[in-house]
Amino acid sequence: SAVISQKPSRDICQRGTSLTIQCQVDSQVTMMFWYRQQPGQSLTLIATANQGSEATYESGFVIDKFPISRPNLTFSTLTVSNMSPEDSSIYLCSVPDPGTGAYEQYFGPGTRLTVT
Amino acid sequence: AQSVTQPDIHITVSEGASLELRCNYSYGATPYLFWYVQSPGQGLQLLLKYFSGDTLVQGIKGFEAEFKRSQSSFNLRKPSVHWSDAAEYFCAVGAYNFNKFYFGSGTKLNVKP
Repeated sequence: SAVISQKPSRDICQRGTSLTIQCQVDSQVTMMFWYRQQPGQSLTLIATANQGSEATYESGFVIDKFPISRPNLTFSTLTVSNMSPEDSSIYLCSVPDPGTGAYEQYFGPGTRLTVT
Repeated sequence: AQSVTQPDIHITVSEGASLELRCNYSYGATPYLFWYVQSPGQGLQLLLKYFSGDTLVQGIKGFEAEFKRSQSSFNLRKPSVHWSDAAEYFCAVGAYNFNKFYFGSGTKLNVKP
């Protein structure tokens, strides 16, 4: 299994500003994933972040809006840029099982973002 | 295209009663199937998973799920629900080779005393 922490746990931001969310894992992992969970909705994959390469974004998500960094095998950041109220969501990072490489994913506690 | 359907948005059961949460998936290859639980204000916790083999899988907290290929289903069950089981439950299918997950819309479980 993996233990994942996220910072901040929550924030309230004004529209037009940017917020960077940090994700720290207690083990080295090749892949990290960022998800968005809009109010009352399910999880939607934003992008996959591999160390040493650019993130791969899902349809509907672009790098200019959600830049991602992956400087090493235990850390990643997601920035939500030029925020609008529609960006109010929970943002979660996840990793595959670091020990087995199996396909279950372990999730961080999430960052609850409110944009006013 | 891959998709997961959870037809029940809300379910209310009495404490001690049995529970079944439905999940249907659409996937072109052998699916990797998961159930997660999300308590209010918490992240997602893995309840159980199916990769292959025995189609009845046991998970944590007394949950089990049965994979039925012919019905493309992976329903979650618990024989006796506890008040602490009140949460939102998500079914997910994993895409082989890419570690991508597709989540259902979730089922909110309320437990009556």
